[in-house]
Amino acid sequence: DAGITQSPRHKVTETGTPVTLRCHQTENHRYMYWYRQDPGHGLRLIHYSYGVKDTDKGEVSDGYSVSRSKTEDFLLTLESATSSQTSVYFCATATGEQQGYTFGSGTRLTVV
Amino acid sequence: AQSVTQPDIHITVSEGASLELRCNYSYGATPYLFWYVQSPGQGLQLLLKYFSGDTLVQGIKGFEAEFKRSQSSFNLRKPSVHWSDAAEYFCAVVGEGNYQLIWGAGTKLIIKP
Repeated sequence: DAGITQSPRHKVTETGTPVTLRCHQTENHRYMYWYRQDPGHGLRLIHYSYGVKDTDKGEVSDGYSVSRSKTEDFLLTLESATSSQTSVYFCATATGEQQGYTFGSGTRLTVV
Repeated sequence: AQSVTQPDIHITVSEGASLELRCNYSYGATPYLFWYVQSPGQGLQLLLKYFSGDTLVQGIKGFEAEFKRSQSSFNLRKPSVHWSDAAEYFCAVVGEGNYQLIWGAGTKLIIKP
């Protein structure tokens, strides 16, 4: 979706390094989410935000932190990357429960 | 607990044949239901949604889904599939006043020529 941009699209990083993924939206959506997608596990929620500086943990938040200082940006940080964090990461936004989510194109992260 | 079940991990259908992908949900309150499609290497795209009114909803790409409260189901259908429909399909539910989708595990659709 042109209104949600994830960067970078691909990244290879070394174990133990910090990594930050960015989600930028031009939709002015209040709700934002970070998911990871792995074969056999489907979509798993990492963190979510209901507004600026209002964030909370999802089901697989260990090793991840987030920040939302502006409506349009939601950053996901891997504090010290591990091989188990090799995955495809998706950002999603929403205006309300009836609208469902709009997804970004994903970031493929490889930790070596 | 809220949950969504997609019983079929893979489905193989011949091009031109009809398709039905199953989705069952468990949710105590009024559910809002969604189907998403994910093509290889892409993000998820909303196909259709239901939250009230007519229980048969039409979506993009010729898909439709029927909400059956008595069966707690929201099955996705298409009368004639095309090779370009090969993708993974996800069913999801959210409750009124909640903003987190509960996801099914997905069904991978394979199209035979």
